[in-house]
Amino acid sequence: DAGITQSPRYKITETGRQVTLMCHQTWSHSYMFWYRQDLGHGLRLIYYSAAADITDKGEVPDGYVVSRSKTENFPLTLESATRSQTSVYFCASSFSDRGGNSPLHFGNGTRLTVT
Amino acid sequence: KNQVEQSPQSLIILEGKNCTLQCNYTVSPFSNLRWYKQDTGRGPVSLTIMTFSENTKSNGRYTATLDADTKQSSLHITASQLSDSASYICVVSPPFSGGYNKLIFGAGTRLAVHP
Repeated sequence: DAGITQSPRYKITETGRQVTLMCHQTWSHSYMFWYRQDLGHGLRLIYYSAAADITDKGEVPDGYVVSRSKTENFPLTLESATRSQTSVYFCASSFSDRGGNSPLHFGNGTRLTVT
Repeated sequence: KNQVEQSPQSLIILEGKNCTLQCNYTVSPFSNLRWYKQDTGRGPVSLTIMTFSENTKSNGRYTATLDADTKQSSLHITASQLSDSASYICVVSPPFSGGYNKLIFGAGTRLAVHP
């Protein structure tokens, strides 16, 4: 089925480890996004991408790295995980960047715990 | 700083009853205001979108209203069902923002519908 898929759904890692969260979409949307969701906070943008090989920082990019070599994939890497990065991570995509007039399509999230 | 505040934080209602969720925003005017529904363990899904000039928008039993004078949007759920149990997130897109990197997310209202 078409859609946006995140993997893994759950991940437990230790402080200092590198971990990569995967995101794959089948709509050929140009725009892709990574958000984190923490209790008491709205979704916060980590990184976004307007097209393959074009990425830019969001509100909370420190400690994260992204790449986008193919339109359909947008992996998020935590280079050296810290406990403050324990969160639920959502990948999203959209076919338009016209001021938010098109909805974001979200994956089902990856719940990451850093011990 | 542009903000989106949602109330109440959480709400419990009985099946069949109506309820209203509030979203107060500071950014004005805006490009659009969108309500998302987020089921437990899933990503948010768009429910309604309103432009700054619209007063109301319906999607089945969900009706969103907008009062530009008080800078408030409401999401009214009619004849609630158990499947309405979810978090509801208000998202505002500032005008001329250049894209999704400027979206402002509320922290959400968690609704529980009990039989």
